[in-house]
Amino acid sequence: GQQLNQSPQSMFIQEGEDVSMNCTSSSIFNTWLWYKQDPGEGPVLLIALYKAGELTSNGRLTAQFGITRKDSFLNISASIPSDVGIYFCAGQRSGGFKTIFGAGTRLFVKA
Amino acid sequence: GAVVSQHPSRVICKSGTSVKIECRSLDFQATTMFWYRQFPKQSLMLMATSNEGSKATYEQGVEKDKFLINHASLTLSTLTVTSAHPEDSSFYICSAPRGNTEAFFGQGTRLTVV
Repeated sequence: GQQLNQSPQSMFIQEGEDVSMNCTSSSIFNTWLWYKQDPGEGPVLLIALYKAGELTSNGRLTAQFGITRKDSFLNISASIPSDVGIYFCAGQRSGGFKTIFGAGTRLFVKA
Repeated sequence: GAVVSQHPSRVICKSGTSVKIECRSLDFQATTMFWYRQFPKQSLMLMATSNEGSKATYEQGVEKDKFLINHASLTLSTLTVTSAHPEDSSFYICSAPRGNTEAFFGQGTRLTVV
């Protein structure tokens, strides 16, 4: 079945540091998404990528859609304590919103 | 504010009973909704696609008789966990796409079967 390989599984960083996480897939997706999930909550969309090679920013977050449509990365600059949470990459095929999720990256930020 | 509302947020039930979870789209209509299950420290796994006016489409390995889905209206989908067992304890999340933009997620329902 479709799988997204997300890494790293977890990260422990100091406040102010930059963070990078990525996802790869063996199959092509038309849309790549990055979500953040806080404990006991549903995921919240951070960035959506629709075109191969697209680089998109949302505040301190930057994400890129790989040129092959099989990978994406998310960067968080100057991390703050409230960045703590689980970050998921997700992919969608064309024609719908059926979303496949990566395993998630748990981010811990030390003040 | 939330655009997709899920209810209840938490439920504890006895083994063998059935539990219904509601997913409502607020201020928009959703002909399709999606149901996910998330076990502790794991990712979201798609269970099924709920289709208004027709049968739900289940992912491989998901028992349709165990997890009954009814898309009663353009703003409401329900997931009923029938004859629940402790291994069904999980975090259940729905999502609904709005227009051609993005799919919004509900707050999730934590089910505990004792």
